[in-house]
Amino acid sequence: LAKTTQPISMDSYEGQEVNITCSHNNIATNDYITWYQQFPSQGPRFIIQGYKTKVTNEVASLFIPADRKSSTLSLPRVSLSDTAVYYCLVGDILTGGGNKLTFGTGTQLKVEL
Amino acid sequence: NAGVMQNPRHLVRRRGQEARLRCSPMKGHSHVYWYRQLPEEGLKFMVYLQKENIIDESGMPKERFSAEFPKEGPSILRIQQVVRGDSAAYFCASSPTATGGGYNEQFFGPGTRLTVL
Repeated sequence: LAKTTQPISMDSYEGQEVNITCSHNNIATNDYITWYQQFPSQGPRFIIQGYKTKVTNEVASLFIPADRKSSTLSLPRVSLSDTAVYYCLVGDILTGGGNKLTFGTGTQLKVEL
Repeated sequence: NAGVMQNPRHLVRRRGQEARLRCSPMKGHSHVYWYRQLPEEGLKFMVYLQKENIIDESGMPKERFSAEFPKEGPSILRIQQVVRGDSAAYFCASSPTATGGGYNEQFFGPGTRLTVL
């Protein structure tokens, strides 16, 4: 499993765009990049997943450069409720179950007024 | 459709007692995973089960820990003779049966917070 590196913490203000970058220099050809969000006292929640280029859904965008050695989670116009820990996961996590997720320490995002 | 349910949400045990944690996967999900989260750390995989089978227990401590997912009823994570170092949040996740190519998302429960006195 590829090791990931993320900033330990980030601070932002409501209404700003937040970009969290994850480094994964040893990503393998079959690996996907997935981001989870975890609020205090709750289980993680899937946000977005991608393999290359750009992926966008209703809550976030994921930018992956051509070499795939890093990825950036972009949260548009954050609010106080986006305060959470964000985890970047890399692995061959496709269909079939048995895909144990490997979480790092994540990035603690704090959004203020 | 109810999400993944775990009980109890909080469990307090004294050293040497047994802790039994329950997880009911989402309806239609046949894969169950258990993770442990220590304070200020990310989740660590423990075990992956399907109905009546342990598929991957590479993250389980060799002693005192066991897990099952019977044909009927919830998945159980059992910790015998608990020690203070077992104090953590234990999360269960479930995913649906594989049906083809694509990501098989794991849905997490709210966790059980175990405190060992």
